Amino acid sequence: NAGVTQTPKFQVLKTGQSMTLQCAQDMNHNSMYWYRQDPGMGLRLIYYSASEGTTDKGEVPNGYNVSRLNKREFSLRLESAAPSQTSVYFCASMEASGLGYTFGSGTRLTVV
Amino acid sequence: QKEVEQNSGPLSVPEGAIASLNCTYSDRGSQSFFWYRQYSGKSPELIMFIYSNGDKEDGRFTAQLNKASQYVSLLIRDSQPSDSATYLCADINDYKLSFGAGTTVTVRA
Repeated sequence: NAGVTQTPKFQVLKTGQSMTLQCAQDMNHNSMYWYRQDPGMGLRLIYYSASEGTTDKGEVPNGYNVSRLNKREFSLRLESAAPSQTSVYFCASMEASGLGYTFGSGTRLTVV
Repeated sequence: QKEVEQNSGPLSVPEGAIASLNCTYSDRGSQSFFWYRQYSGKSPELIMFIYSNGDKEDGRFTAQLNKASQYVSLLIRDSQPSDSATYLCADINDYKLSFGAGTTVTVRA
């Protein structure tokens, strides 16, 4: 039982490049989330998906897009990376009971 | 604006002492609260959740909730060096967690 799997773990991009962060969960959870974590600012919600086929903006969605490919997979895309998107990105999922998230191991992204 | 605020750290405690972490929240509609522990370079892991007023104990951890005063606290008894981490408080609304900025705890051996 792998839980929540994120790829890649590390990535360096040049300004203007695009990339997709992948996330998959094997716990049959309906809800999935993307957060970014910056020093002193805690975890901020980028996008979430309450169920397969639905996605909604969170607190900081600008510059990002998401796809809920199926119940297991929820990807985050940066179309044109900017240095302000340098951060650690976490994917999470939650079961229907709402008793907290399970997080992936994170992606450390640097945009130069 | 829904906010979760945590007392700013870092918090340094000697081994064996009690570490006390506090969190306040602004949304009176919040019902459930979570404490996550995050080691440096790792992802957050859930250590406790609480939804009823009063205390909830799990091993060396005790969560306390006071809905009238809108605060949540976490006590770590008999602190160990392995408790050195950042602790995140969160509330939940519409199946989304909102996190505080975290309090970094260092346990001195």
